[in-house]
Amino acid sequence: DTGVSQDPRHKITKRGQNVTFRCDPISEHNRLYWYRQTLGQGPEFLTYFQNEAQLEKSRLLSDRFSAERPKGSFSTLEIQRTEQGDSAMYLCASGIPGQPYPSENTDGYTFGSGTRLTVV
Amino acid sequence: GQQLNQSPQSMFIQEGEDVSMNCTSSSIFNTWLWYKQEPGEGPVLLIALYKAGELTSNGRLTAQFGITRKDSFLNISASIPSDVGIYFCAGQLRSSNTGKLIFGQGTTLQVKP
Repeated sequence: DTGVSQDPRHKITKRGQNVTFRCDPISEHNRLYWYRQTLGQGPEFLTYFQNEAQLEKSRLLSDRFSAERPKGSFSTLEIQRTEQGDSAMYLCASGIPGQPYPSENTDGYTFGSGTRLTVV
Repeated sequence: GQQLNQSPQSMFIQEGEDVSMNCTSSSIFNTWLWYKQEPGEGPVLLIALYKAGELTSNGRLTAQFGITRKDSFLNISASIPSDVGIYFCAGQLRSSNTGKLIFGQGTTLQVKP
């Protein structure tokens, strides 16, 4: 399977703990995106990387959130001092600029299956 | 955060019926996308639209990019039980070339066999 891989699929944590999620994009994709999706809503943009550079961050990404993509391949999203409001599905997507639609040469802008975070 | 206005919020239809859903925005978009999401999974792209007025089909699915660039619709013809899921519209603002997408709130589709 050469799709976008996210780990873990599910995470339950106590309020105040730190959590880290990992995303492995499709190998030839140089753009990587993080989105957050709460129940009953569409995904909301958090941040994106072009190779290893983090080029844009949403105001949703508070100081407790940090994302990295150290070698331009996989990415991690860390949440410090988790709060109950952080409970959501965290989605990663990868893509190639200008190619959101799959073709015979690329999978286009592709989402992973997400990490479901529950803060208790 | 900014989201598109998607309607209807949910639909419960009989197998074989046609379905229509739409998205509107106060902002102009240069790309409209339609996704389907099933429980516990990420969104899967169904159709991508790049030009105002463009009408594109993918099997039983047809979508259009509105002339004003502020709206789009998705039609599903002759629905079948496996069409069940949540459908999202998403768009990229005209002012953006980052690939950042803005999503609608979703339309939940249930199909009765």
